[in-house]
Amino acid sequence: DQQVKQNSPSLSVQEGRISILNCDYTNSMFDYFLWYKKYPAEGPTFLISISSIKDKNEDGRFTVFLNKSAKHLSLHIVPSQPGDSAVYFCAASEDGTSYGKLTFGQGTILTVHP
Amino acid sequence: DSGVTQTPKHLITATGQRVTLRCSPRSGDLSVYWYQQSLDQGLQFLIQYYNGEERAKGNILERFSAQQFPDLHSELNLSSLELGDSALYFCASSAPRQGGGRAYNEQFFGPGTRLTVL
Repeated sequence: DQQVKQNSPSLSVQEGRISILNCDYTNSMFDYFLWYKKYPAEGPTFLISISSIKDKNEDGRFTVFLNKSAKHLSLHIVPSQPGDSAVYFCAASEDGTSYGKLTFGQGTILTVHP
Repeated sequence: DSGVTQTPKHLITATGQRVTLRCSPRSGDLSVYWYQQSLDQGLQFLIQYYNGEERAKGNILERFSAQQFPDLHSELNLSSLELGDSALYFCASSAPRQGGGRAYNEQFFGPGTRLTVL
């Protein structure tokens, strides 16, 4: 049972354009969401997070949007840079488990072309 | 550099064998998590320890066990290894962060141990 889904295995964009990565979840108990970036041969690196009491969180070029009614979140990268090419994972954590496990999506491979 | 260290980086072994993966969390972090990433899979949560105590368990096989020591480093023991156990094993650590009266965690991952079972 895949509780966090990233339906696009890959995404290709031009440098300078917007990259939009999507994530859907089914567990209504999730109340904290994170995006991680992963380069080959490295561990995932925390990028940005959002709690369920917000619908948007911004950090530089990265913005995460949360639509609780649709159980959907997205990560916007503007402008995209070749160094952003990596695998992006969305992850979710349940309410009440502040030490909680993260449930990850399958990942989306982002390629930013110069 | 996340501050989380894992050893060894690579491990090649045979079916039926037993291995131990080691993780040192970031300084001050009390929680340690283990995740498994198989080919074409997302990260699957295995187990979490907090200050030496098991806190949460995921899809961890009975052949696998873990512990966290008084110095907060953790070890993941994998026994009776099978071909399907070949994967990347990640350790992460976190410290609770207060926000709006609730505590959230952001986990910082180590570089992983690549286990190959032949």
